[in-house]
Amino acid sequence: DAKTTQPTSMDCAEGRAANLPCNHSTISGNEYVYWYRQIHSQGPQYIIHGLKNNETNEMASLIITEDRKSSTLILPHATLRDTAVYYCIVRALGNQFYFGTGTSLTVIP
Amino acid sequence: GAVVSQHPSWVICKSGTSVKIECRSLDFQATTMFWYRQFPKQSLMLMATSNEGSKATYEQGVEKDKFLINHASLTLSTLTVTSAHPEDSSFYICSARDLRTPDEQYFGPGTRLTVT
Repeated sequence: DAKTTQPTSMDCAEGRAANLPCNHSTISGNEYVYWYRQIHSQGPQYIIHGLKNNETNEMASLIITEDRKSSTLILPHATLRDTAVYYCIVRALGNQFYFGTGTSLTVIP
Repeated sequence: GAVVSQHPSWVICKSGTSVKIECRSLDFQATTMFWYRQFPKQSLMLMATSNEGSKATYEQGVEKDKFLINHASLTLSTLTVTSAHPEDSSFYICSARDLRTPDEQYFGPGTRLTVT
């Protein structure tokens, strides 16, 4: 599976949109982009995933560039409870999830 | 739906003893379960893939004789840390793949193991 690169940490003001970038320049055509988050001392929580089209659900939006070499997770109105480590994972269907280092997002009151 | 539980949520054991951690899919059947280990301030590291009724597949560098995995039913996988040492102290997380939605993977809440 392709590797991903994410910033180590980010801050976001409460109520503002949080935009978390991810680079996956070696992604293959059959690999999806997944986002999970992990709140301290809990198991990872699924957020969203996509192949090439932008996706939106009740938690977030996923924007994937046309060349699929990068993506952005958008939390439209960040709250304090969104403080967590966010993992971007590239994975072909049926394969295991391998986690990178993730981005530690801190939402500031 | 798609809830995965782990038991216990935390455990303290003495060096040299063995400890078993259970992972259950509560409302779905999981032919495949996965075990991860996470040290403080680090990411999750995949340890092994467990398929129901067959031997687990271990990632490179993971000792299969030390971390015994059993997946005897479609809803239960167990990880036994044998002859535990303080360096085995970690956060152990399992996940499960739902038969109905094999694209998804659902994670348990984790088990904190402390070896004294």
